[in-house]
Amino acid sequence: GQQVMQIPQYQHVQEGEDFTTYCNSSTTLSNIQWYKQRPGGHPVFLIQLVKSGEVKKQKRLTFQFGEAKKNSSLHITATQTTDVGTYFCAGRTNAGKSTFGDGTTLTVKP
Amino acid sequence: KAGVTQTPRYLIKTRGQQVTLSCSPISGHRSVSWYQQTPGQGLQFLFEYFSETQRNKGNFPGRFSGRQFSNSRSEMNVSTLELGDSALYLCASSFDRGGQPQHFGDGTRLSIL
Repeated sequence: GQQVMQIPQYQHVQEGEDFTTYCNSSTTLSNIQWYKQRPGGHPVFLIQLVKSGEVKKQKRLTFQFGEAKKNSSLHITATQTTDVGTYFCAGRTNAGKSTFGDGTTLTVKP
Repeated sequence: KAGVTQTPRYLIKTRGQQVTLSCSPISGHRSVSWYQQTPGQGLQFLFEYFSETQRNKGNFPGRFSGRQFSNSRSEMNVSTLELGDSALYLCASSFDRGGQPQHFGDGTRLSIL
């Protein structure tokens, strides 16, 4: 079945450093979504990418969708303590099934 | 606009029992998906319901079942509970199928003793 691999599993950074998490799907995706889950909270939708090679920005966050629509990345510039949490990607196939990556847990040291 | 509501928030059961979890989606949302979240396994897809029909199913045993009512509310049932079923069960609703953003509830924390 479809698999979505996400790396790294954990990332510890100093406040102000950059952070990147990567997702790779075993199958071509119709779209990919990114979510953030704060400690003790539930996943919150961040963004959706649909087009091959698409790049979207939200303030310090940059999201990319690969040309082959099988991989994606989330990059945070100059991390802040409010960025802590677990970032998940969720790849959706044409059959409509969503598969979440295992998430990358980001901790930020002030 | 009220968010996704899941009840109960916490539940303690013993092995062999069964449990029913409830999810009320955001008003107007017709798609409801269920996920199991555990520290070691991340977010595992259970099933998706749309218009009272199961549209997709994850790789879980038949002990896990669900249904959706005409008002889009959904229930999930787990029979013959096992210790390994201890997890946070999350429900997510979206307006429609086809890649709409999913809005998650706070989840039901199920503990099996």
